[in-house]
Amino acid sequence: RKEVEQDPGPFNVPEGATVAFNCTYSNSASQSFFWYRQDCRKEPKLLMSVYSSGNEDGRFTAQLNRASQYISLLIRDSKLSDSATYLCVVPPGGYNKLIFGAGTRLAVHP
Amino acid sequence: NAGVTQTPKFQVLKTGQSMTLQCAQDMNHNSMYWYRQDPGMGLRLIYYSASEGTTDKGEVPNGYNVSRLNKREFSLRLESAAPSQTSVYFCASSDRFGTGATNEKLFFGSGTQLSVL
Repeated sequence: RKEVEQDPGPFNVPEGATVAFNCTYSNSASQSFFWYRQDCRKEPKLLMSVYSSGNEDGRFTAQLNRASQYISLLIRDSKLSDSATYLCVVPPGGYNKLIFGAGTRLAVHP
Repeated sequence: NAGVTQTPKFQVLKTGQSMTLQCAQDMNHNSMYWYRQDPGMGLRLIYYSASEGTTDKGEVPNGYNVSRLNKREFSLRLESAAPSQTSVYFCASSDRFGTGATNEKLFFGSGTQLSVL
């Protein structure tokens, strides 16, 4: 099993839709998790950090399920500008050796 | 605010050629990193420097060398480029990572698209 696994998508959704991505991880020692957003041909940028059971920031909600070892990202009321690849990031016992998932691609259409 | 600056943005090499990717950050960060990103594989850590004067191998260090020139600059060198090193390379820096602070995050440069023929 890969250390971090994500559904590559693409998820094609209309504007206004709610969409959710999951990310599974294998190292149970991980204490914190991150979602990064990467636009096409651009650098990744931090979207959200998840330290306990979850985190919410406007239309974005990240949840952590330690028992099942997955984190999810929920996007409500999708905008065209949300179209990007979303990377799940896990620090399995070492912040200097982060593990990035391959990413889930989201395409929001009018 | 410049943040993390990488040069060059694009580079084409022939097999066996050498080159150095330059990275500089102006945020006074202690830690700097080099990643490569390949389709379907996510970002993989090549080398990192937790602080000025130290460097350590990451997940995929073979074929690369690094130099932490000073606190601002962290370069990545390919001594003898191979087609397998065709990738997008990202430099990143962080100050808060590993501290447990709630604002810990990586700041990335805009990337270098490298093709080795």
